[in-house]
Amino acid sequence: DGGITQSPKYLFRKEGQNVTLSCEQNLNHDAMYWYRQDPGQGLRLIYYSQIVNDFQKGDIAEGYSVSREKKESFPLTVTSAQKNPTAFYLCASSIVGQSSSYNSPLHFGNGTRLTVT
Amino acid sequence: QKEVEQNSGPLSVPEGAIASLNCTYSDRGSQSFFWYRQYSGKSPELIMFIYSNGDKEDGRFTAQLNKASQYVSLLIRDSQPSDSATYLCAAVLNTGTASKLTFGTGTRLQVTL
Repeated sequence: DGGITQSPKYLFRKEGQNVTLSCEQNLNHDAMYWYRQDPGQGLRLIYYSQIVNDFQKGDIAEGYSVSREKKESFPLTVTSAQKNPTAFYLCASSIVGQSSSYNSPLHFGNGTRLTVT
Repeated sequence: QKEVEQNSGPLSVPEGAIASLNCTYSDRGSQSFFWYRQYSGKSPELIMFIYSNGDKEDGRFTAQLNKASQYVSLLIRDSQPSDSATYLCAAVLNTGTASKLTFGTGTRLQVTL
């Protein structure tokens, strides 16, 4: 079955440590995204990538970094510079990227809940 | 004004009734609209997408788009307790240099027995 796999489901870290969240998709989608969701708030875009070896900052990129070395993989690193990292992180993919006039729907992974103490 | 606005709810409807969820958006040029359902603690799942004015039906769900009034709605017929969730509206907004998919904060739906 095709889909998006995020791991781990739960992640606990001490303040000051970098942590990397994994996202893998086998849907053959070109575009991949990272969103953050906080209680009572909508999804906020962190980074997105429309092709391999290229990515763009979203609305809240500060304190985060990404790479897109393979079409299937888009890992997100939460660095110690991120002031409030505790959140629900969602990875998504779509057939085409946001530059298209008619966007294809996003398909989401199951999410990673990060808690930093 | 928020770019994509939804009433946070909760919207409470009895089982078997029609639930009507509404969403307004700020960019008159928007052309792509999506409804996602999100159960508590889970990730969003796509319910419907709509690109053209009018209605689009899929089973118990109907998406309605009115570009002139800049609103999109989701109707759920014969509501079931399993429909209780938060419904996220999303629209592709044009920011001048690029288009951006923007989510509303969601409407929480409660279907009561």
